[in-house]
Amino acid sequence: GIQVEQSPPDLILQEGANSTLRCNFSDSVNNLQWFHQNPWGQLINLFYIPSGTKQNGRLSATTVATERYSLLYISSSQTTDSGVYFCAVERGGGFKTIFGAGTRLFVKA
Amino acid sequence: NAGVTQTPKFQVLKTGQSMTLQCAQDMNHEYMSWYRQDPGMGLRLIHYSVGAGITDQGEVPNGYNVSRSTTEDFPLRLLSAAPSQTSVYFCASSLVGPGAEAFFGQGTRLTVV
Repeated sequence: GIQVEQSPPDLILQEGANSTLRCNFSDSVNNLQWFHQNPWGQLINLFYIPSGTKQNGRLSATTVATERYSLLYISSSQTTDSGVYFCAVERGGGFKTIFGAGTRLFVKA
Repeated sequence: NAGVTQTPKFQVLKTGQSMTLQCAQDMNHEYMSWYRQDPGMGLRLIHYSVGAGITDQGEVPNGYNVSRSTTEDFPLRLLSAAPSQTSVYFCASSLVGPGAEAFFGQGTRLTVV
Protein backbone atom coordinates (compact mmCIF):
# COMPACT_ATOMS: atom_id res chain seq x y z
CA GLY A 1 0.00 0.00 0.00
CA ILE A 2 0.91 3.66 -0.17
CA GLN A 3 3.47 4.94 2.35
CA VAL A 4 3.23 8.37 3.96
CA GLU A 5 6.27 9.79 5.72
CA GLN A 6 6.32 13.02 7.69
CA SER A 7 9.30 15.00 8.85
CA PRO A 8 10.52 16.08 11.25
CA PRO A 9 8.89 13.81 13.83
CA ASP A 10 9.31 16.43 16.55
CA LEU A 11 9.83 20.18 16.43
CA ILE A 12 10.31 22.78 19.15
CA LEU A 13 9.96 26.45 18.24
CA GLN A 14 10.18 29.75 20.00
CA GLU A 15 7.03 31.79 19.66
CA GLY A 16 7.24 33.94 16.54
CA ALA A 17 9.45 31.56 14.57
CA ASN A 18 8.55 30.06 11.20
CA SER A 19 8.58 26.37 10.32
CA THR A 20 8.10 23.96 7.44
CA LEU A 21 6.65 20.49 7.83
CA ARG A 22 7.05 17.93 5.08
CA CYS A 23 4.95 15.01 3.87
CA ASN A 24 6.29 12.51 1.33
CA PHE A 25 4.08 9.87 -0.25
CA SER A 26 5.08 6.83 -2.25
CA ASP A 27 2.42 6.79 -4.99
CA SER A 28 0.09 9.08 -6.87
CA VAL A 29 -2.84 10.41 -4.87
CA ASN A 30 -6.12 12.13 -5.66
CA ASN A 31 -6.61 13.63 -2.23
CA LEU A 32 -4.21 15.08 0.33
CA GLN A 33 -5.22 16.77 3.54
CA TRP A 34 -3.41 18.36 6.46
CA PHE A 35 -4.86 18.07 9.97
CA HIS A 36 -3.98 19.58 13.32
CA GLN A 37 -4.57 17.61 16.51
CA ASN A 38 -4.58 19.95 19.48
CA PRO A 39 -3.25 18.96 22.92
CA TRP A 40 -6.78 17.93 23.92
CA GLY A 41 -6.95 15.42 21.08
CA GLN A 42 -9.36 17.22 18.76
CA LEU A 43 -8.59 16.82 15.04
CA ILE A 44 -9.19 19.79 12.77
CA ASN A 45 -8.93 19.84 9.00
CA LEU A 46 -6.47 22.53 7.86
CA PHE A 47 -6.21 22.08 4.11
CA TYR A 48 -7.51 19.93 1.31
CA ILE A 49 -4.66 20.23 -1.18
CA PRO A 50 -4.05 17.43 -3.73
CA SER A 51 -2.00 19.92 -5.78
CA GLY A 52 -1.03 23.58 -5.84
CA THR A 53 -0.80 26.11 -3.03
CA LYS A 54 -3.32 27.38 -0.50
CA GLN A 55 -3.10 29.89 2.31
CA ASN A 56 -5.20 30.44 5.41
CA GLY A 57 -3.92 33.17 7.67
CA ARG A 58 -0.50 32.23 9.04
CA LEU A 59 -0.70 28.75 7.53
CA SER A 60 -0.07 27.79 3.95
CA ALA A 61 0.43 24.51 2.14
CA THR A 62 1.94 23.44 -1.15
CA THR A 63 1.62 20.05 -2.82
CA VAL A 64 3.81 19.03 -5.75
CA ALA A 65 1.94 15.94 -6.87
CA THR A 66 4.41 15.02 -9.62
CA GLU A 67 7.22 14.85 -7.04
CA ARG A 68 5.01 13.25 -4.38
CA TYR A 69 5.41 15.66 -1.52
CA SER A 70 3.53 18.34 0.34
CA LEU A 71 4.75 21.11 2.62
CA LEU A 72 2.92 22.89 5.44
CA TYR A 73 4.27 26.31 6.37
CA ILE A 74 3.59 27.91 9.73
CA SER A 75 4.62 31.54 10.03
CA SER A 76 4.91 33.61 13.21
CA SER A 77 4.13 30.57 15.34
CA GLN A 78 1.98 30.90 18.45
CA THR A 79 1.66 28.66 21.48
CA THR A 80 -1.79 27.65 20.24
CA ASP A 81 -0.12 26.07 17.20
CA SER A 82 1.23 23.33 19.47
CA GLY A 83 0.00 19.81 18.83
CA VAL A 84 0.46 17.16 16.18
CA TYR A 85 0.20 17.85 12.45
CA PHE A 86 -0.89 14.99 10.24
CA CYS A 87 -0.77 14.54 6.51
CA ALA A 88 -3.36 12.14 5.06
CA VAL A 89 -3.65 10.87 1.49
CA GLU A 90 -6.16 8.97 -0.57
CA ARG A 91 -5.34 7.05 -3.71
CA GLY A 92 -7.39 7.34 -6.86
CA GLY A 93 -10.40 5.05 -7.20
CA GLY A 94 -10.79 4.33 -3.50
CA PHE A 95 -11.84 5.84 -0.22
CA LYS A 96 -9.05 4.61 2.04
CA THR A 97 -7.42 7.58 3.68
CA ILE A 98 -3.91 6.81 4.93
CA PHE A 99 -2.32 9.00 7.61
CA GLY A 100 1.33 9.72 8.23
CA ALA A 101 2.75 9.33 11.73
CA GLY A 102 2.61 13.09 12.28
CA THR A 103 4.91 15.92 13.34
CA ARG A 104 4.68 16.88 17.01
CA LEU A 105 5.12 20.64 17.40
CA PHE A 106 5.71 22.50 20.65
CA VAL A 107 5.81 26.29 20.59
CA LYS A 108 7.43 27.90 23.60
CA ALA A 109 6.25 31.25 24.92
CA ASN B 1 -24.96 21.93 14.99
CA ALA B 2 -23.50 18.90 16.80
CA GLY B 3 -21.19 17.69 13.98
CA VAL B 4 -19.76 14.24 14.77
CA THR B 5 -20.67 12.82 18.17
CA GLN B 6 -18.91 9.83 19.69
CA THR B 7 -19.94 7.97 22.81
CA PRO B 8 -18.62 7.02 25.25
CA LYS B 9 -15.57 9.25 25.77
CA PHE B 10 -13.84 6.73 28.03
CA GLN B 11 -14.32 2.98 28.50
CA VAL B 12 -12.54 0.19 30.34
CA LEU B 13 -13.24 -3.38 29.25
CA LYS B 14 -12.10 -6.75 30.44
CA THR B 15 -10.54 -9.12 27.93
CA GLY B 16 -13.26 -11.00 26.09
CA GLN B 17 -16.03 -8.49 26.73
CA SER B 18 -17.94 -6.96 23.85
CA MET B 19 -19.06 -3.42 23.32
CA THR B 20 -20.20 -0.94 20.71
CA LEU B 21 -18.68 2.50 20.13
CA GLN B 22 -21.31 4.87 18.85
CA CYS B 23 -20.81 7.52 16.16
CA ALA B 24 -23.48 9.88 14.85
CA GLN B 25 -23.31 12.84 12.48
CA ASP B 26 -25.97 15.39 11.61
CA MET B 27 -24.42 16.82 8.44
CA ASN B 28 -25.95 14.33 5.98
CA HIS B 29 -22.48 13.09 5.04
CA GLU B 30 -22.27 10.00 2.87
CA TYR B 31 -18.78 9.00 3.99
CA MET B 32 -18.07 7.82 7.52
CA SER B 33 -15.03 6.06 8.89
CA TRP B 34 -13.40 4.70 12.04
CA TYR B 35 -9.74 5.11 12.96
CA ARG B 36 -7.60 4.00 15.85
CA GLN B 37 -4.73 6.13 17.09
CA ASP B 38 -1.80 4.50 18.83
CA PRO B 39 1.30 6.33 20.13
CA GLY B 40 3.78 7.15 17.36
CA MET B 41 1.66 5.55 14.61
CA GLY B 42 -0.76 8.23 13.53
CA LEU B 43 -4.31 7.19 12.67
CA ARG B 44 -5.05 3.86 11.04
CA LEU B 45 -8.27 3.20 9.16
CA ILE B 46 -10.38 0.36 10.58
CA HIS B 47 -13.57 0.41 8.48
CA TYR B 48 -15.37 2.92 6.33
CA SER B 49 -18.72 3.43 4.63
CA VAL B 50 -19.73 5.46 1.58
CA GLY B 51 -23.45 5.30 2.31
CA ALA B 52 -26.20 3.43 4.11
CA GLY B 53 -25.86 -0.30 3.56
CA ILE B 54 -22.28 -0.03 2.21
CA THR B 55 -19.20 -0.78 4.30
CA ASP B 56 -15.65 -1.83 3.54
CA GLN B 57 -12.45 -2.72 5.35
CA GLY B 58 -9.58 -0.35 6.00
CA GLU B 59 -5.99 -1.09 7.05
CA VAL B 60 -6.68 -2.81 10.38
CA PRO B 61 -10.20 -4.37 10.31
CA ASN B 62 -9.55 -7.56 12.30
CA GLY B 63 -11.48 -7.75 15.56
CA TYR B 64 -13.98 -5.06 14.56
CA ASN B 65 -17.38 -5.08 12.88
CA VAL B 66 -19.41 -2.21 11.49
CA SER B 67 -22.81 -1.64 9.94
CA ARG B 68 -24.48 1.39 8.35
CA SER B 69 -28.25 1.13 8.53
CA THR B 70 -28.79 4.91 8.38
CA THR B 71 -26.88 7.86 6.96
CA GLU B 72 -26.45 9.33 10.44
CA ASP B 73 -25.04 6.40 12.43
CA PHE B 74 -21.94 4.24 12.05
CA PRO B 75 -21.34 2.06 15.14
CA LEU B 76 -18.12 0.11 15.68
CA ARG B 77 -18.43 -3.24 17.44
CA LEU B 78 -15.75 -5.11 19.35
CA LEU B 79 -17.01 -8.69 19.68
CA SER B 80 -14.31 -9.99 22.02
CA ALA B 81 -12.01 -7.26 23.29
CA ALA B 82 -8.26 -7.88 23.48
CA PRO B 83 -5.52 -5.82 25.17
CA SER B 84 -4.14 -5.03 21.68
CA GLN B 85 -7.32 -3.03 21.06
CA THR B 86 -6.41 -0.54 23.76
CA SER B 87 -6.30 2.70 21.80
CA VAL B 88 -8.04 5.98 21.09
CA TYR B 89 -10.78 5.60 18.51
CA PHE B 90 -11.93 8.38 16.20
CA CYS B 91 -14.96 8.53 13.97
CA ALA B 92 -14.96 10.88 10.97
CA SER B 93 -17.43 11.94 8.33
CA SER B 94 -17.37 13.90 5.10
CA LEU B 95 -19.15 14.40 1.85
CA VAL B 96 -17.90 12.27 -1.04
CA GLY B 97 -15.99 14.02 -3.75
CA PRO B 98 -13.15 16.47 -4.37
CA GLY B 99 -12.53 19.03 -1.67
CA ALA B 100 -14.63 17.25 0.93
CA GLU B 101 -13.52 18.34 4.38
CA ALA B 102 -13.34 15.62 7.01
CA PHE B 103 -14.92 16.23 10.42
CA PHE B 104 -13.79 14.20 13.41
CA GLY B 105 -15.48 13.26 16.65
CA GLN B 106 -13.72 13.93 19.95
CA GLY B 107 -12.53 10.36 20.32
CA THR B 108 -13.14 7.38 22.61
CA ARG B 109 -10.29 6.29 24.87
CA LEU B 110 -10.61 2.51 25.28
CA THR B 111 -8.57 0.42 27.69
CA VAL B 112 -8.78 -3.36 27.64
CA VAL B 113 -7.40 -5.06 30.75
